[in-house]
Formats: sequence, structure tokens, C-alpha cells
Amino acid sequence: AQSVTQLGSHVSVSEGALVLLRCNYSSSVPPYLFWYVQYPNQGLQLLLKYTSAATLVKGINGFEAEFKKSETSFHLTKPSAHMSDAAEYFCAVSVRDNFNKFYFGSGTKLNVKP
Amino acid sequence: DAGVTQSPTHLIKTRGQQVTLRCSPKSGHDTVSWYQQALGQGPQFIFQYYEEEERQRGNFPDRFSGHQFPNYSSELNVNALLLGDSALYLCASNPLAAPYEQYFGPGTRLTVT
Repeated sequence: AQSVTQLGSHVSVSEGALVLLRCNYSSSVPPYLFWYVQYPNQGLQLLLKYTSAATLVKGINGFEAEFKKSETSFHLTKPSAHMSDAAEYFCAVSVRDNFNKFYFGSGTKLNVKP
Repeated sequence: DAGVTQSPTHLIKTRGQQVTLRCSPKSGHDTVSWYQQALGQGPQFIFQYYEEEERQRGNFPDRFSGHQFPNYSSELNVNALLLGDSALYLCASNPLAAPYEQYFGPGTRLTVT
């Protein structure tokens, strides 16, 4: 079975500080991995995805994530937080024998302090 | 490109009633998936449609059913509504050949009273 664990339901950083949102996955087969962002009362927007190419993936808005197979992790980072980054972030996994079914973590709410 | 669109935006129903939610996929996408996002949780997969048939289903009761039309748009039907069905219902679409290119709509907020 596949699953995603996001450590920390709430993360607070100061504007300009490093953003680190943690995601660990469980999968018996090579996964595809995703980070989505959700602003209040909106749907999900894809930030970035890992689909077996480079392990360091760059996404929109300055975010990036690194796939580490040995640690079964796919943490999301951004060097310098901006007020507009305040939102909820979801990590998701889909597996290569069942591509279309996504398994989501429970989300991490990012608060950015001025 | 309008992206994935969903209607209505918000809906309030009473326990025991039935509801139909609608989704139009992104242009060029032929596969539609539905997710339920309860408050404070991540989305959970309900089911997926391709070529007007349900391809796979998550752990949801038969009260949840769907349909896909020849133009690839889709409906989600929920019968005998329970209070616990209150959630944001998200529709996602992708081309069958690119299952990782899943785009989400803005969702329909369903409140059951």
C-alpha cells in the first residue's frame, strides 16, 4: 500500500527565511511524487513533480524538492519565504502500476510572519 | 484554456437528499478523477473515469456514483447524504497517456445539514 506522511501540520517562518516542508512516502514500487499548494477556498495547484528524471526538481515560485530514495523522502524547500507563500501544501504519491490514483498527505499549513 | 471547471461552487443539502456535482476537464484531457477533501485533511480518491467507464475506485460506499459523457465531462452523484459527506469535492483531469499531468479544479464545497 502507498501512503504519504507530512511532518508538521503547521509550519511558521519569517519572511526571507528558509522554507522546509517535510514529506515521507511509502511505496512498494517506484513512485511519482508531487507537491501541490492550496490557497483558501481554492483547488490544488501543482508546484512540482518527480517522474524519475533528475532527483532535484525545480518548480514554480522558487520552490524545489529532492527525491531521496534511501530516505523515502521528498522534502519541499524555498530559500527565501515570501508573504504570498502562506498557504497549505500537500505532498502526493502515485505509483507506476496505478498511475492515476494519487495518495495525498494530510497537508502542512505554512504561515509567513512579516 | 479554461482549465478544469466545476459547478456549482457551493451547495447546501439536507441529510438524506441526493446531490450531483459537475466537472469539465481541461482541454485535451480524457480522464477524470474525483476526490473528497474533508476539512483539515488531504484529498482522498473516490473514483476515476475514462471512456465513459469507471476504471478504478477508492474506499467509498456505493452511495457515491459517477458518470462520464462523450465530451469527457463528468458528474459525481451522492445519494442518501450524511453529515460526514460535508467536504470539498475536487475534480482532476489528465490525458490518459500522461497520468502524472493531473490538473485540479477549484472544487465544490458541499455542506450537509
